[in-house]
Amino acid sequence: SAVISQKPSRDICQRGTSLTIQCQVDSQVTMMFWYRQQPGQSLTLIATANQGSEATYESGFVIDKFPISRPNLTFSTLTVSNMSPEDSSIYLCSVSSSGGNTIYFGEGSWLTVV
Amino acid sequence: EDQVTQSPEALRLQEGESSSLNCSYTVSGLRGLFWYRQDPGKGPEFLFTLYSAGEEKEKERLKATLTKKESFLHITAPKPEDSATYLCAVLGSGGSYIPTFGRGTSLIVHP
Repeated sequence: SAVISQKPSRDICQRGTSLTIQCQVDSQVTMMFWYRQQPGQSLTLIATANQGSEATYESGFVIDKFPISRPNLTFSTLTVSNMSPEDSSIYLCSVSSSGGNTIYFGEGSWLTVV
Repeated sequence: EDQVTQSPEALRLQEGESSSLNCSYTVSGLRGLFWYRQDPGKGPEFLFTLYSAGEEKEKERLKATLTKKESFLHITAPKPEDSATYLCAVLGSGGSYIPTFGRGTSLIVHP
């Protein structure tokens, strides 16, 4: 199994500011993803973080709002830019085991924008 | 397009009252069906992966089963600490590593 550490676990942010979330995995993984989970909702995929190249974004998510870095096979960051109250969510880092047979999640970063 | 429907949306049980959660799915070639437990404000915790119809897996009071159309998560003699949202997801054989998630079942177990 993969152990995924996310920082921060929780934060209260001012409207208009940006926050970077870090995701560290205890082993090298090929597939790494970022999800958003709004209150009372299921998971929505933001993007696939690709090592050494630009992230692949899902419909409705853009790089200017959610820039992602993936400098190596164990680490990624997601920035939530120019935050508004609508960005208040849990942001989750996820990795796929080799072969894609199991998908693991980090503890989540719970952001509240005021 | 892969689809996952979980029922019921919410379930309240008394401690010791066994029950089952349902996950109905449609997928073009199942690569895996996943069950997760999620506590409020936390990331999903992996429970099981099921790969083929007839397969069963157990962990403490939880038992997951799989048919060609649905999966059940059976909870035997639940305790209040089993209270959580249980998520189901499927991964199809289309080449993507991105699963499709259901909306979850919120379980509350009263002492």
